[in-house]
Amino acid sequence: DAKTTQPTSMDCAEGRAANLPCNHSTISGNEYVYWYRQIHSQGPQYIIHGLKNNETNEMASLIITEDRKSSTLILPHATLRDTAVYYCIVRHHGGATNKLIFGTGTLLAVQP
Amino acid sequence: DVKVTQSSRYLVKRTGEKVFLECVQDMDHENMFWYRQDPGLGLRLIYFSYDVKMKEKGDIPEGYSVSREKKERFSLILESASTNQTSMYLCASSLSSGGYQETQYFGPGTRLLVL
Repeated sequence: DAKTTQPTSMDCAEGRAANLPCNHSTISGNEYVYWYRQIHSQGPQYIIHGLKNNETNEMASLIITEDRKSSTLILPHATLRDTAVYYCIVRHHGGATNKLIFGTGTLLAVQP
Repeated sequence: DVKVTQSSRYLVKRTGEKVFLECVQDMDHENMFWYRQDPGLGLRLIYFSYDVKMKEKGDIPEGYSVSREKKERFSLILESASTNQTSMYLCASSLSSGGYQETQYFGPGTRLLVL
């Protein structure tokens, strides 16, 4: 699975949009971009994933560049409860183990 | 909503004890996974299962075994707990293989301390 690069930390004001970037320049054509987050001392929570089209659900939007080498997770109206470590993961589907490999992620701190 | 539950949030055990960690999912998922998470090492796969009574080793199976007697339940067993097994243990499940069915959903985690 391709490697991802994320900023170590970001701040965002409560009520504003949080835009979390991820670089995955070695992504291959059949690899998906996944986002999870992990609030302190809890299990990871699935947010969204996509292949090449932009995706939106009730939690967030995922914008994938046309060359698929980077993506941005957007939380449209960040709240204090969105403070967490956000992980961008690139992976194949149908692999032998389907295991997830988490990098170091981005610590998003939402400020009041 | 997918719900994955784990039997304990916190556990304290002594070296040499046999430890059982239970995981239950209520969405009829075929695949279930056990990971451990340690600072600086990220998530590491211990074992996974594609079906009842089937199991496959992950990256770090040594010192662990698993049991899947029912579809909804996947147990992780530490035969003889050691201090280096102190960790956060995470269970996950996914519907099946292929497309959106591969999304993994996690339980709340069990923080195990072995003294």
